[in-house]
Amino acid sequence: GQQVMQIPQYQHVQEGEDFTTYCNSSTTLSNIQWYKQRPGGHPVFLIQLVKSGEVKKQKRLTFQFGEAKKNSSLHITATQTTDVGTYFCAGRPGTSYDKVIFGPGTSLSVIP
Amino acid sequence: GAGVSQSPSNKVTEKGKDVELRCDPISGHTALYWYRQSLGQGLEFLIYFQGNSAPDKSGLPSDRFSAERTGGSVSTLTIQRTQQEDSAVYLCASSLAAGLHTDTQYFGPGTRLTVL
Repeated sequence: GQQVMQIPQYQHVQEGEDFTTYCNSSTTLSNIQWYKQRPGGHPVFLIQLVKSGEVKKQKRLTFQFGEAKKNSSLHITATQTTDVGTYFCAGRPGTSYDKVIFGPGTSLSVIP
Repeated sequence: GAGVSQSPSNKVTEKGKDVELRCDPISGHTALYWYRQSLGQGLEFLIYFQGNSAPDKSGLPSDRFSAERTGGSVSTLTIQRTQQEDSAVYLCASSLAAGLHTDTQYFGPGTRLTVL
């Protein structure tokens, strides 16, 4: 079946270091979304990418959608303790009206 | 401007009892998802409603689980004969519609279910 994978599963970084999480789909996606879940909270939408090769930035966060629309990445520059949480990618396979599929998430810990 | 609400926020029940969890999506949102999240784990898809289409029930773990969405709005997730392994946070999310630009999911705060 259709799958969305993320690596790494966990990442521990020193505050100030950069962080990247990668999202890979077994099928072409029509869009990709990124969500952040703080410890004890619920997932909150960060951004959506739609176009092949699209790059979007939000302050220290850079999001990229691959040319083949099967992978995506989230890069955080100079991590801060406020970046702690789990980052999920989610995408709509193909052009159907089927459900959006979530990746398993990458849990980020930032050591002050 | 209310977001997605869920009730109850916490539910403690005894093994074998039935429970009902409620989700009130954002008004006008036609897509609704239920997920289950165990401690430290990812989002386990349970069921997906989109408009008047037949729901996608492919994630329901057993026939003890069922869900309804009445009038295209409120949804209830029912777990019959609860087991201890059902203990988790149950999250509901809604989105405007299924589509390229309307897939943003807005999550409720979740219901924490504890089965003793």
